[in-house]
Amino acid sequence: NAGVTQTPKFQVLKTGQSMTLQCAQDMNHEYMSWYRQDPGMGLRLIHYSVGAGITDQGEVPNGYNVSRSTTEDFPLRLLSAAPSQTSVYFCASSYTGNNEKLFFGSGTQLSVL
Amino acid sequence: AQSVTQPDIHITVSEGASLELRCNYSYGATPYLFWYVQSPGQGLQLLLKYFSGDTLVQGIKGFEAEFKRSQSSFNLRKPSVHWSDAAEYFCAVGPLGSGGYQKVTFGIGTKLQVIP
Repeated sequence: NAGVTQTPKFQVLKTGQSMTLQCAQDMNHEYMSWYRQDPGMGLRLIHYSVGAGITDQGEVPNGYNVSRSTTEDFPLRLLSAAPSQTSVYFCASSYTGNNEKLFFGSGTQLSVL
Repeated sequence: AQSVTQPDIHITVSEGASLELRCNYSYGATPYLFWYVQSPGQGLQLLLKYFSGDTLVQGIKGFEAEFKRSQSSFNLRKPSVHWSDAAEYFCAVGPLGSGGYQKVTFGIGTKLQVIP
């Protein structure tokens, strides 16, 4: 059972470039989310989805776009990368919205030069 | 607004010694409390959670946590630390009930080092 799979594991971008971070889960979870982890700041919610076709903003959504066309996939897009987006990104999923256990991917370390 | 404070950024303990990681939260109602662990290069894994009932909660890997409403605390404990416990530990708080998924707030984490 793969759980939550994130690709790539590492990425270096130049300022202004675009890219998509991929996230897929095989547990049929309705809820998926993206977090960024920065030193001294814990995890902060970027965007989340409560089901296919439904997304909403979290705490730090600026500079990121998401879509949810299937239950399994929840990609995160950076349209024009900035150095402030250098971070470790985690995708997570859960079965329900009642603060049940979150399942995390292994993360994507992104550097924007 | 809800918040989580983990006052210890780094903790070093000897293998076999006991461990207590501190967590204080601020929340206006009955909270849903979590502890997650992150091993190097990995995502977070749930250790335990609490929302009602017995205030002493048992989790995986021999960890337990005690909810103290009067102190707004949810400290994580382990009687005897193993070298494999070296990791970063995150306390988190969220609201009970449907729709609370997106409102979980994480602390900044406590990095645990275990020395032989």
